[in-house]
Amino acid sequence: AQSVTQPDIHITVSEGASLELRCNYSYGATPYLFWYVQSPGQGLQLLLKYFSGDTLVQGIKGFEAEFKRSQSSFNLRKPSVHWSDAAEYFCAVSYNTDKLIFGTGTRLQVFP
Amino acid sequence: GAVVSQHPSWVICKSGTSVKIECRSLDFQATTMFWYRQFPKQSLMLMATSNEGSKATYEQGVEKDKFLINHASLTLSTLTVTSAHPEDSSFYICSYGGGATEAFFGQGTRLTVV
Repeated sequence: AQSVTQPDIHITVSEGASLELRCNYSYGATPYLFWYVQSPGQGLQLLLKYFSGDTLVQGIKGFEAEFKRSQSSFNLRKPSVHWSDAAEYFCAVSYNTDKLIFGTGTRLQVFP
Repeated sequence: GAVVSQHPSWVICKSGTSVKIECRSLDFQATTMFWYRQFPKQSLMLMATSNEGSKATYEQGVEKDKFLINHASLTLSTLTVTSAHPEDSSFYICSYGGGATEAFFGQGTRLTVV
């Protein structure tokens, strides 16, 4: 079955530190890959997406992600975290349909 | 981007009653909308695909008679939780798009059944 794994349930970083959130997907075919951010009680906002081409994609708010086919991974990174980045982050995939399969999410906490 | 408006943002209802959640596309026409459910500290799980003018497609394990979906127009999809029970308390989110196009999400509805 198609699935998305986010190994880190909760990550805490200091403001200004670098960040990497991990995401792995199952299933052989390369899916469309997404990262979404969700603030408490809110809907989801797209940070970035990968469909094809350059495996390093840039998103909003200074985020980037790198697709590594050999590792079936699509990790999200940010060089310097801001306190406003504290939120829940979801990796998601889709396979030639509009249905999104979400990972379990990673809650990011940022300390001043 | 496309604007998806979901209402209400939160609702509290008594056990056994029904609750209707609306999802409107404000600046586009949507033949297909998606309904997700998110339990506390868990991921979003697709419940069903809402199809304009036809029956919704439900994911495995989702009770279609309990979660009634109506997509009567190209700008409105509704989810009705019938005979709600405390275990139905959750965060419900609708969306439009996905796959090769960006998905746009409603603000979500937090349902609490007491």
